[in-house]
Amino acid sequence: QKEVEQDPGPLSVPEGAIVSLNCTYSNSAFQYFMWYRQYSRKGPELLMYTYSSGNKEDGRFTAQVDKSSKYISLFIRDSQPSDSATYLCAMSNSGGSNYKLTFGKGTLLTVNP
Amino acid sequence: DVKVTQSSRYLVKRTGEKVFLECVQDMDHENMFWYRQDPGLGLRLIYFSYDVKMKEKGDIPEGYSVSREKKERFSLILESASTNQTSMYLCASSFLAGLSRGNEQFFGPGTRLTVL
Repeated sequence: QKEVEQDPGPLSVPEGAIVSLNCTYSNSAFQYFMWYRQYSRKGPELLMYTYSSGNKEDGRFTAQVDKSSKYISLFIRDSQPSDSATYLCAMSNSGGSNYKLTFGKGTLLTVNP
Repeated sequence: DVKVTQSSRYLVKRTGEKVFLECVQDMDHENMFWYRQDPGLGLRLIYFSYDVKMKEKGDIPEGYSVSREKKERFSLILESASTNQTSMYLCASSFLAGLSRGNEQFFGPGTRLTVL
């Protein structure tokens, strides 16, 4: 079983839709959870950073962590064509090895005008 | 804002050439990383460094070496480039995480390397 699983998509939605992106993981030691957005031919850009379980909201973006189910989500409200990108989840342990991030392979999202 | 810059956006080299990729960060981060990203394989860690002159192998170090002579600069070296090293190379940096600082990584724009 891979440590982090992420549906590669592609996911295509109309402008204004609510988008749900998800990752599951197997390592119960993961404590830090991140979402990155990567536009074509660019480097990943950090969108959301959360520690342990719960929700975090930033504008149109909401990150959720459910550690009991080993499941994290990113919701995008009122999606825009500019949200079209690949979304990567990432996570790490706490403690001495927390420098290392384990990434999902990314979900390609297209928001159609 | 954190800024991570990479020396080239696009690079074309020939098989057997020595290739240098440079990365500079301006946030006084302790950690610096080199990844490669390939379709279907995702991001894979090549090397990382947690301090000047310190380095540790990542998941795919074969065929690569690194150098960190200054805190802000981290170089990736392909001693003898091969066609299977054609890829997108991404540099990242982060703080040494502690109670008041997170471990999120900040990425540069990437270097698309083609080895012919």
